[in-house]
Amino acid sequence: AQKITQTQPGMFVQEKEAVTLDCTYDTSDPSYGLFWYKQPSSGEMIFLIYQGSYDQQNATEGRYSLNFQKARKSANLVISASQLGDSAMYFCAMREKEWTGFQKLVFGTGTRLLVSP
Amino acid sequence: DVKVTQSSRYLVKRTGEKVFLECVQDMDHENMFWYRQDPGLGLRLIYFSYDVKMKEKGDIPEGYSVSREKKERFSLILESASTNQTSMYLCASSLRGASFYEQYFGPGTRLTVT
Repeated sequence: AQKITQTQPGMFVQEKEAVTLDCTYDTSDPSYGLFWYKQPSSGEMIFLIYQGSYDQQNATEGRYSLNFQKARKSANLVISASQLGDSAMYFCAMREKEWTGFQKLVFGTGTRLLVSP
Repeated sequence: DVKVTQSSRYLVKRTGEKVFLECVQDMDHENMFWYRQDPGLGLRLIYFSYDVKMKEKGDIPEGYSVSREKKERFSLILESASTNQTSMYLCASSLRGASFYEQYFGPGTRLTVT
């Protein structure tokens, strides 16, 4: 079963508009973390934002905010005032604990965002 | 400035060749990771290491091995490359026990096996 689901393979948005990228997750661990990464065409993965499962407030970082709805197991990324440079692949990921206690990240399949002028 | 580097951005190898992908980080991180990225599949963990000479299998370790002889360097080895190993390979590192476990990624190596 998918642990991280990103149902939007591609999204289009006009410059200066807001866009929401969906992410749902599945875990039975009460302690977990959710991440969003951006991958431009150059290939490097850029960390955007993090939300801990016990955090009371939704995380925000500049134009990025994470709409965390714990009961629905969703962690959508909201980008406000889109810019042309926001065109990229976006990945949602969840921190998962192994039986060894070691923690690793599980990634979704990604959403390609295209921002048009 | 945080830095993870990978030995090559693009690599073309023949079927059956032994392939080494090198990753170096300068952040004194304990944990290092190798992922492969394929369209529609996202990033999948191949192997990870939480200390020198320590390694653990990820979700898709078949056909790969790793080596970590020094803290800053983590190598991915394809013993006998096959065409189904054509992919983008990403290396990452993180601190052990960091509160939110951010991983820092290298620029990736696009490997083509012909």
